Amino acid sequence: DAGVIQSPRHEVTEMGQEVTLRCKPISGHDYLFWYRQTMMRGLELLIYFNNNVPIDDSGMPEDRFSAKMPNASFSTLKIQPSEPRDSAVYFCASSNPAELDQPQHFGDGTRLSIL
Amino acid sequence: TQLLEQSPQFLSIQEGENLTVYCNSSSVFSSLQWYRQEPGEGPVLLVTVVTGGEVKKLKRLTFQFGDARKDSSLHITAAQPGDTGLYLCAGFNAGKSTFGDGTTLTVKP
Repeated sequence: DAGVIQSPRHEVTEMGQEVTLRCKPISGHDYLFWYRQTMMRGLELLIYFNNNVPIDDSGMPEDRFSAKMPNASFSTLKIQPSEPRDSAVYFCASSNPAELDQPQHFGDGTRLSIL
Repeated sequence: TQLLEQSPQFLSIQEGENLTVYCNSSSVFSSLQWYRQEPGEGPVLLVTVVTGGEVKKLKRLTFQFGDARKDSSLHITAAQPGDTGLYLCAGFNAGKSTFGDGTTLTVKP
C-alpha cells in the first residue's frame, strides 16, 4: 500500500513568493496532520484535520500560513508571503483511529528553503 | 500546553554498549508513543505504551511507561550502528500527539 505522499520533496524559492506544499494521506485515514521540523524547535504540530475539517490550528505560526483539505485524499499547506525563517522540513502525517495504537504515518517531508 | 522533555539530547556510543533515553512530562497522557526517524525520512512508529507501569520489548529495545503515565524510557541493549537515528517520544491525547525534542543517537562501529 502507498504511504503518505508529499510533494515537492524539495523547494527553494525567494522570500516573498507563495509556497504550496501538498499531501495525499493514506486512503481511509480520518486524521491528517501538518508538522514543521527544525533543529531549534524540533517537530511542531501546525494544524490537524479530522474528516476534512480543521480541528486545531493553534500551532499555525501566523496568518501567512493556511491549510486546506478539500477532500479526503488531498491537503495543502500554503505560505504567502514566505520568509527565510520559514525554512524547515514540513511533514504531513495521517492516522486511523481504528488502527491499533493509532500510529501516525508520516510522509518523507518537503525540505523548504527560503532565500 | 503539554510539554515533553527528552534526555539526553545527543548520545554517541560504541557498538555493543547499552543506553537509556528518557521522556518526561508534567502532563498525563492516555498513551505514549516512541518513533524513530532516519535522515531524509519521516518518523516511524516503534511502539505505543498505554497502561501505567507497562513494559514492552521489541527485540533489543525495552520501553517502559511510568506508573503515573507522565514519563517513559527507552532502553537499548547491545546497540548496533543500525540503531543510529533520532528517537522521538510523543504523548497522545484526544487524537493528537505532542512530540518531544528528540534524542539523536549515534552508534559507532
